[in-house]
Amino acid sequence: AQKITQTQPGMFVQEKEAVTLDCTYDTSDPSYGLFWYKQPSSGEMIFLIYQGSYDQQNATEGRYSLNFQKARKSANLVISASQLGDSAMYFCAMREDNYQLIWGAGTKLIIKP
Amino acid sequence: DAGITQSPRYKITETGRQVTLMCHQTWSHSYMFWYRQDLGHGLRLIYYSAAADITDKGEVPDGYVVSRSKTENFPLTLESATRSQTSVYFCASEGEETQYFGPGTRLLVL
Repeated sequence: AQKITQTQPGMFVQEKEAVTLDCTYDTSDPSYGLFWYKQPSSGEMIFLIYQGSYDQQNATEGRYSLNFQKARKSANLVISASQLGDSAMYFCAMREDNYQLIWGAGTKLIIKP
Repeated sequence: DAGITQSPRYKITETGRQVTLMCHQTWSHSYMFWYRQDLGHGLRLIYYSAAADITDKGEVPDGYVVSRSKTENFPLTLESATRSQTSVYFCASEGEETQYFGPGTRLLVL
């Protein structure tokens, strides 16, 4: 069974609009962490944001925020005021009680000028 | 420069040859990881290491060997390369609960 599901293979968004990338996860572990990474066309994997399962508040990092809904097991990434440079693949990942990250298949985001 | 580096960045080899991919980090992170990324898949863990001389298998370890004699280095060896090992390989190290990735090595096995 899929542990991390990203249901949007691709998205087109107009520049300056906000965008939400979906991520749902499946775990029975009470302690886990959720991550979002960005992979531009150049290929590097860039860490964006982290949310711990016990964190009371949603994580934010600049224009990135994580909409964490624990009961629904969702951890959606919100990018405010999108920019052309946000065009990339975005991956959601989860870590349970060891150091292994479990990855989603990714969402390709294209920002239109 | 501080960070995590990988070499070579690009490699073409032939089936049956041994190939070693290098990974070096300057943060003194204890945990290091090797992933492969293929079209249609997210990243899949090959091996990881909790410290020097401590390594363990990930999801797809077959055909690969790792070693870690020093904290900062974590080489990955393909003992006898196969076409199915054509992929992009990422090394990562973990600090403050976050994994930071190297730039990747694109490997083509002919």
